This record gives sequence, C-alpha cells and structure tokens, in this order.
Amino acid sequence: EIVLTQSPATLSLSPGERVTLSCRASQSVSRSLAWYQQRPGQAPRLLIYDASMRATGIPARFSGSGSGTDFTLTVSSLEPEDFAVYYCQHRRNWPLTFGGGTKVEIK
Amino acid sequence: EVQLLESGGGLVQPGGSLRLSCAASGFIFRNYVMTWVRQAPGTGLEWVSAADSGGDGIYYADSVKGRFSISRDNSRSTLYLQMNSLRAEDTAVYYCAKGIDGSNWFADFWGQGALVTVSS
Repeated sequence: EIVLTQSPATLSLSPGERVTLSCRASQSVSRSLAWYQQRPGQAPRLLIYDASMRATGIPARFSGSGSGTDFTLTVSSLEPEDFAVYYCQHRRNWPLTFGGGTKVEIK
Repeated sequence: EVQLLESGGGLVQPGGSLRLSCAASGFIFRNYVMTWVRQAPGTGLEWVSAADSGGDGIYYADSVKGRFSISRDNSRSTLYLQMNSLRAEDTAVYYCAKGIDGSNWFADFWGQGALVTVSS
C-alpha cells in the first residue's frame, strides 16, 4: 500500500498570503496524484488531478506540481473561502489511498 | 447538472448489515467509474471501494474486504454498497463519488454523504 504523507498538519496564514502544501508518497506514483479541498460540513472538492491538471471550475490561483514521490499544491493568494482542509490522493495502484490532510486556518 | 444522492444510512448494531444506494443523474452513468469514500467523525478521508464502468472491475480497501460489496446497476444509474458484519470503526459518513471518466479514478463530483453509525 502506498502511504501519502502530508505536511505540515496545520498552517496558520492570513488572506492574501501564498501557501505551498506538500504530499510525499512512500513509492513512486508517477503523476497519478490529485488534490482535494474540504470545507467544514461539506463534501470534498477536486482541485487538481494528474499532478497539475486543474479540475473544471477551479480558479487559477490553485496549481499543482511534482512527479514520482514529491508533490506540491500552491495557492498563490489565499481567499477567505480557501481556509479548509486539503487532501492528496493517488491512483497509481490498488488500494487508492489519501494523505492525512493539511488544515489551512486563519491566523 | 450532476447529482449524486446517497441513501440507506442509519444506526445499526455491531454485526449488522446496511445497504447504501447512490442515485446518479446529470451524466451518462454507465460511462464512468465510481467510488465510495468514508470519513469517520473528526478524521480524514478513507477510500473504501471502487467499480469500473461495467461493474466487472471491483476493488476494496483491506479494512472492508470480505465484509463490504460494491455493485452498480447501469440501467438504474445507481451505485450500491452492501455492508455486512459492521463494526464500531465503520462509523462514518459515506460518500459516493464519480470518476473523471471511464478510466480515471479521481473523483470530480461527490454526493453529500450518508451517515452510518454502528453502535449498540
């Protein structure tokens, strides 16, 4: 099973700041990695798939990069609605797994 | 508009069974892979099971293998999750999710979830 480790667990930031989240895989997942956002009380929302492809309707301030075992999600300038929990997930093989999440909170 | 509506959640005793349903609309259901993901209270996301577009390719997390069974009825645009031998640790919100296409398992649309509580 591929283990995805997200860091840090929590980030405290202000609106307008740039943020970079990390997801590291225990073995190569090539570019088969996605990022999701989950706001309190809501279902997750796909942001990025296949490492760097923005999902439909996702603002350009969200970008993804990486390949192999190291991936990043960048939000260029945080909007109030971006304070949420972010998860990475791979689809390299079975079972699919999620990372433990990074919470981005308001400072 | 894509819609996924889960039903069948509720309170069940340990060792009991439940069947979740996910009624899909707004897209051609038979062309997409489908997934179940769960989230225990206050914790992160856990992938549970997935079925390919035809329902022949079926996959499970080790934590549910042998107890849960995924199926789909493409004529009814409905995904199912039969859950047997339920345990307290199966308590979670269960989300039904649609794959990006017929081969990409990432979920680009999610239902609002069905709460399953396993308790005596």
